[in-house]
Amino acid sequence: GAGVSQSPSNKVTEKGKDVELRCDPISGHTALYWYRQRLGQGLEFLIYFQGNSAPDKSGLPSDRFSAERTGESVSTLTIQRTQQEDSAVYLCASSPDRIGKLFFGSGTQLSVL
Amino acid sequence: TQLLEQSPQFLSIQEGENLTVYCNSSSVFSSLQWYRQEPGEGPVLLVTVVTGGEVKKLKRLTFQFGDARKDSSLHITAAQPGDTGLYLCAGERPGGYQKVTFGTGTKLQVIP
Repeated sequence: GAGVSQSPSNKVTEKGKDVELRCDPISGHTALYWYRQRLGQGLEFLIYFQGNSAPDKSGLPSDRFSAERTGESVSTLTIQRTQQEDSAVYLCASSPDRIGKLFFGSGTQLSVL
Repeated sequence: TQLLEQSPQFLSIQEGENLTVYCNSSSVFSSLQWYRQEPGEGPVLLVTVVTGGEVKKLKRLTFQFGDARKDSSLHITAAQPGDTGLYLCAGERPGGYQKVTFGTGTKLQVIP
């Protein structure tokens, strides 16, 4: 596809369950970001991948959160033992260059009951 | 601690009015971007500014990067209902690190 694709678009889960969110970036984009957005608020940085460099995990809120990326393609964000405060939209973005131009997917709306 | 503070947080205006949104920081940025986000969608890039003092115009939108590269503004002339959305500034810190930090957001509503 032409844009960043995220799946699922919506995920409802029970507290304590694990969830996995997927992001397919634009082909050829070396940088990939995950952000969290609570209702009506700005974006909270979670993690950043750039090529084969070690990812910047400084934004992950706890050790229940982890993310992986295969080369310069698909990324997965995993949240273990979900809590109600994890409910938010999780946005993925990719970027082709070093001037911070990000292209976003439509996000995954996560609801933890 | 939020690196980029936006003001106002909310803005509701009548169609045809002008408005300005501010994005401020105590830190220097090598580049700064403005995005607009509509409900259910990811943010969409409007503009990137990289030079202190730079002014860019995109139809009715005017973007300015502060001389010290610590702040920016977005001015909309004769706002239209289609301008409604969440406006986000975002910045990249110097050093080629490319970690992009987003501002707190300004929710704009333009009433027909």
